[in-house]
Amino acid sequence: GNSVTQMEGPVTLSEEAFLTINCTYTATGYPSLFWYVQYPGEGLQLLLKATKADDKGSNKGFEATYRKETTSFHLEKGSVQVSDSAVYFCALTFEGGSYIPTFGRGTSLIVHP
Amino acid sequence: GAVVSQHPSRVICKSGTSVKIECRSLDFQATTMFWYRQFPKQSLMLMATSNEGSKATYEQGVEKDKFLINHASLTLSTLTVTSAHPEDSSFYICSAFDRTSSTDTQYFGPGTRLTVL
Repeated sequence: GNSVTQMEGPVTLSEEAFLTINCTYTATGYPSLFWYVQYPGEGLQLLLKATKADDKGSNKGFEATYRKETTSFHLEKGSVQVSDSAVYFCALTFEGGSYIPTFGRGTSLIVHP
Repeated sequence: GAVVSQHPSRVICKSGTSVKIECRSLDFQATTMFWYRQFPKQSLMLMATSNEGSKATYEQGVEKDKFLINHASLTLSTLTVTSAHPEDSSFYICSAFDRTSSTDTQYFGPGTRLTVL
């Protein structure tokens, strides 16, 4: 079956540090890949997506590149802010299928001033 | 991006009562809506898939008689927690999706915090 593996958290960084949150997936076929962010007490917000190999999704300074050869979709940001503190979920879906997303377990990011 | 709303955002009820949570897509037609449950510091657990005009498909282990889902229109799905008990206390999140569009992006509601006393 399909699965998404994220690095364990929490990830604790100082403001302006470089962020990487690893995400790898297992799937038959070519899924679309997503990163969602969940701020405390809120629902999920789509952060970025990529639908095919070598696509790069980007938003709000965050980037992730769809790497088919390594089945990865790592999230990066060059300089984090305190306001980036949240839980980040990596997910995949298949177009034309049930569209039910497969989520990773989430990675908590804590950014200190 | 597309907007999905949930109402109420928070609800506190007594054990044995029923609670209805609404999920609305505000600027697109949601042919499919998903209902999730999230426990503290955990990922989302899919409860059911709701397609407009048809019966919901429940995930294994989810009681369909306890969690009633109705998706009567392309912009509204409701989840009713019947005879709620303290163990039903959780964060419930819906997501909406348009199967007929060219994108497979789901849009999530802000969630509903249910507390059963």
